[in-house]
Amino acid sequence: QVQLVESGGGLVEPGGSLRLSCVVSGFTLSDFYMTWVRQVPGKGPEWISYISSNSKNIYYSDSVKGRFTISKDSARNSLYLQMNSLRAEDTAVYYCTRGGSRSLRHMDVWGRGTTVIVSS
Amino acid sequence: EIVMTQSPATLSVSPGERVTLSCRASQSVSDNLAWYQQKPGQASRLLIYDASTRATGIPARFSGSGTGTEFTLTISSLQSEDFAVYYCQQYNFWYTFGQGTKLEIK
Repeated sequence: QVQLVESGGGLVEPGGSLRLSCVVSGFTLSDFYMTWVRQVPGKGPEWISYISSNSKNIYYSDSVKGRFTISKDSARNSLYLQMNSLRAEDTAVYYCTRGGSRSLRHMDVWGRGTTVIVSS
Repeated sequence: EIVMTQSPATLSVSPGERVTLSCRASQSVSDNLAWYQQKPGQASRLLIYDASTRATGIPARFSGSGTGTEFTLTISSLQSEDFAVYYCQQYNFWYTFGQGTKLEIK
């Protein structure tokens, strides 16, 4: 069964760091594009980053560029998001999603999310 | 950035009714559009991609149409499990989502 399980969220002070993890099962991580999407409750989702199947292509939205880093470890079946210099506006539920095998278009599998709260 | 606008924000409907949700793009996205269903505490589910192709396992009562800037998601006969929030997403130029339409029980 294809599944994505996020973890690592929590309460962090402004300027702090957090590392999110997403463990995947039911498919091979190196075969698919993977993304991180976040959502403030009551609002629409926001795409923030993706990594290609071969890890050669990595992109970020302007809202997180220079502060967040996406990576993956296929041996551990895990996707990561290192978040530095966190701001109050980064408060959201963070989702790991799966894209296609040759490109990122729609996202066919989502995790349940992990909550990040940035507050003093 | 391509802005996706969904309407209405909330729709009160009864089980068995036919419902149409709208999504408008601020510029043409061709047919590079997907629809998702989101329920509290559950993983979001891909319903439709490429504007009109049903994803694997999605019931035939869900259908998508449109191209360019105007898109619709139609649910032909609402079931109790369909009450949820629905989002459209364009992937023609980067990736942006609409703000959602909530289907609630009348």
